[in-house]
Amino acid sequence: NAGVTQTPKFRILKIGQSMTLQCTQDMNHNYMYWYRQDPGMGLKLIYYSVGAGITDKGEVPNGYNVSRSTTEDFPLRLELAAPSQTSVYFCASNLQGPTGELFFGEGSRLTVL
Amino acid sequence: ELKVEQNPLFLSMQEGKNYTIYCNYSTTSDRLYWYRQDPGKSLESLFVLLSNGAVKQEGRLMASLDTKARLSTLHITAAVHDLSATYFCAVVPNDMRFGAGTRLTVKP
Repeated sequence: NAGVTQTPKFRILKIGQSMTLQCTQDMNHNYMYWYRQDPGMGLKLIYYSVGAGITDKGEVPNGYNVSRSTTEDFPLRLELAAPSQTSVYFCASNLQGPTGELFFGEGSRLTVL
Repeated sequence: ELKVEQNPLFLSMQEGKNYTIYCNYSTTSDRLYWYRQDPGKSLESLFVLLSNGAVKQEGRLMASLDTKARLSTLHITAAVHDLSATYFCAVVPNDMRFGAGTRLTVKP
């Protein structure tokens, strides 16, 4: 049982480049989330999805886009990468929604130079 | 603005000692979570506290919740090296909001 799988685990981008962080889950969870974790800070919610075709902004959505074409997949796209987007990104999922226990992937460390 | 404040942010303990991590929050939340994160790893749920006065224990960790004081504690009893990790509390006014985390190091 893989749970929540993120790729890539590490990536270095140049300023202005674009990339997509992939997230897939095999637990048939309706809800999926993207968080970023900065040093000494808690996780902040970027975007979330309540099901295929439905997404909504979280606390820090600027500079990111998401899509949810299937229950399993929830990719996060960075357009025009900036140094402020250097962070560790976590994908999570659950059944109960935004107030329920979250199941996290192992994270993707992104550096923008 | 919602605040979730943990203290201490860094904690170095000797094995065998006891200590408490505190989590204060500034808004109503009907539940509170504690998560553990090992270095370079993901977060894993430890406890969910669902009501005022709730107490949960697993091994050397015990969590409690006082919703009137908007305070949760995570008590560590007779610390061992394996407990070294970062511990996050999180409240859920509408979605999950995390504290900054407490980095715990347990030394022999």
